[in-house]
Amino acid sequence: DIQMTQSPSSLSASIGDRVTITCRASQGISNYLAWYQQKPGKVPKLLIYAASTLQSGVPSRFSGSGTGTDFTLTISSLQPEDVATYYCQKYNSAPITFGQGTRLEIK
Amino acid sequence: EVQLVESGGGLVQPGGSLRLSCAASGFTFSSYSMNWVRQAPGKGLEWVSCISSRSSTIYYADSVKGRFTISRDNAKNSLYLQMNSLRTEDTAVYYCTRATGLLLEIDYWGQGTLVTVSS
Repeated sequence: DIQMTQSPSSLSASIGDRVTITCRASQGISNYLAWYQQKPGKVPKLLIYAASTLQSGVPSRFSGSGTGTDFTLTISSLQPEDVATYYCQKYNSAPITFGQGTRLEIK
Repeated sequence: EVQLVESGGGLVQPGGSLRLSCAASGFTFSSYSMNWVRQAPGKGLEWVSCISSRSSTIYYADSVKGRFTISRDNAKNSLYLQMNSLRTEDTAVYYCTRATGLLLEIDYWGQGTLVTVSS
């Protein structure tokens, strides 16, 4: 099975900072990667799919890139409402696999 | 508005069974693949199972294969998860989710139902 490894596991950044979270697949997955945001006490929300396509309604400060095994989620200017845990997800073949999550806090 | 409402969670002893249900509304249920995803307390997300729009294709995570059965009733706009031989490590919030296609990204999540396996 393909494993998904996120880094870092947690990070703290200041309002307005550029934040980058990475996700690495143990085998190539083309662009079959999604990113989800889960705010404390809430259900996950789809941010990005196909590695770089922004889901409708998601602020443009979020962006995704990568293909193959290495992927990145970037927040261009961190806002207070971005405090959450972020998960990458590999799909298009079973089993679907999530990364372990990255907890983002405000410094 | 897409709505997914889970029910059927609760406390069950190890080795017991439980059946989760998910009532879907606000979209053409019979046109979409569906998944169950779970999250143990304080832990990350774990995909459990998926079923194609007409039930022709089903997949399971290795951790539940042979113990859990996913099914759907398109006439009732409902998704189910029959869970047998439950273990303490199955304790989690179980989310009913809609995918944009079989084995594709998840675009809607229910609020979840808590399953606690404990003696």
